[in-house]
Formats: sequence, C-alpha cells, structure tokens
Amino acid sequence: EVQLVESGGGLVKPGGSLRLSCAASGFTFSAYSMNWVRQAPGKGLEWVSSISSGSDYIFYADSVKGRFTISRDNAKNSLYLQMDSLRAEDTAVYYCGRNLPASYGPDYWGQGTLVTVSS
Amino acid sequence: SYELTQPPSVSVSPGQTARITCSGDALPKKYAYWYQQKSGQAPVLVIYGDGRRPSGIPERFSGSNSGTMATLTISGAQVDDEADYYCYSADSSGNHRVFGGGTKLTVL
Repeated sequence: EVQLVESGGGLVKPGGSLRLSCAASGFTFSAYSMNWVRQAPGKGLEWVSSISSGSDYIFYADSVKGRFTISRDNAKNSLYLQMDSLRAEDTAVYYCGRNLPASYGPDYWGQGTLVTVSS
Repeated sequence: SYELTQPPSVSVSPGQTARITCSGDALPKKYAYWYQQKSGQAPVLVIYGDGRRPSGIPERFSGSNSGTMATLTISGAQVDDEADYYCYSADSSGNHRVFGGGTKLTVL
C-alpha cells in the first residue's frame, strides 16, 4: 500500500525557517517524481514544487522560488522541503504527492502537515 | 503566470449530470487532471491524462479535453459526490504546474 507521511510542520515566526519531511513507503520511491502542494486555510490547492526521480529536474512556483528548496534522499525514501524567509502567506497545510509514471500529476497524497507563520 | 479558470460552483439534483469546466491556453498541448477534495481530507485523483480513470473511481466520472477547455463530467451525480473539484495541468513549457481555483459541487 502506498503511504506518504508528512512531518515537520508547526508554528514559526515571520522570517523564520522550517524543514518539512515526507516519508514514503509501499512503492519504489526512487522511480517516481514527487511534489509539494499546499492549501491555505479556506483556500484552494496551490502547487509549490516538483522534483524528478533522480533530482535532475526541479521546479518551483514563483511564489516560493528563492525561498524554498525541494530535495530527496532515495536511500531513505524521503522527500524534503526546506522553507526559509517564511511569510504569513505561507501559512497552509502542506501535502506531498507522488506523480503518476511519466507524468506531472500526483496520484497519491499524504494527509498533510500544517505550517503556521505568525508572530 | 499561467492560470486555469473554473466556475466557483455547480449545483445539480441527485441523478443529474454535473459538468465542471476548466479553461487554459496550454490545454491543447498539456493533459488535464482532476482532483476531488472533501472537507478536511487530502485530494483524490479522479481523472488523469484528460480522460483516464484511476482504479477504484466510479465509472460515472469521465473527462474530456477539447481545445482550451477540459471538462469533468459526473453522470448520475450522487450526494456522496459533493466536494470541491480542482483541475490541474502545466504551462506550455511544462515547468510550472498549476491548479484551477476549484469548483464546489453541490448535489441536492
């Protein structure tokens, strides 16, 4: 069974940093590209970042480019999102998602981790 | 930046057909995906590759893509289908992915 479990969320002050993790199991993690997607309270889904299976291709939304860094450790079956210079508008539930093979669309999602940026 | 446009809401009676549209300039070249999200839950993929259905998704869910518009059709909508639905695709370069603003489907 495919499982994705996010962790690392919490309360952080504006300008602070946080590192999210996503632990993957039930599939060959190294063969799939992965994503981070977020959802602000009461708002819609927003794509944040994507990384290819071998980390060759990395993409970011304009809203986070230069502040967030996506990475993965295939040996540990883990996906990460380093978030720096956090702003109030980064407050959201962050989901990690596994892409369909040879695709840019996620087919499985974790349950999300809440990041709150507030003083 | 690239945008996908969806109607904010769609309402149908049980058993009727619900259609949710998604428009975007790159849709003639890029696949559309559709996600269902119920309150407090993670999204669920219901349509991928314009019109393919993942295993476990009921046959009443179908998708199409014509020109700059993709459409999610729910034939014989049920009360349990009430949810927010999001389309998802990429810009023409493929480097930026984007969700539509979401459509709240009401079945009553």
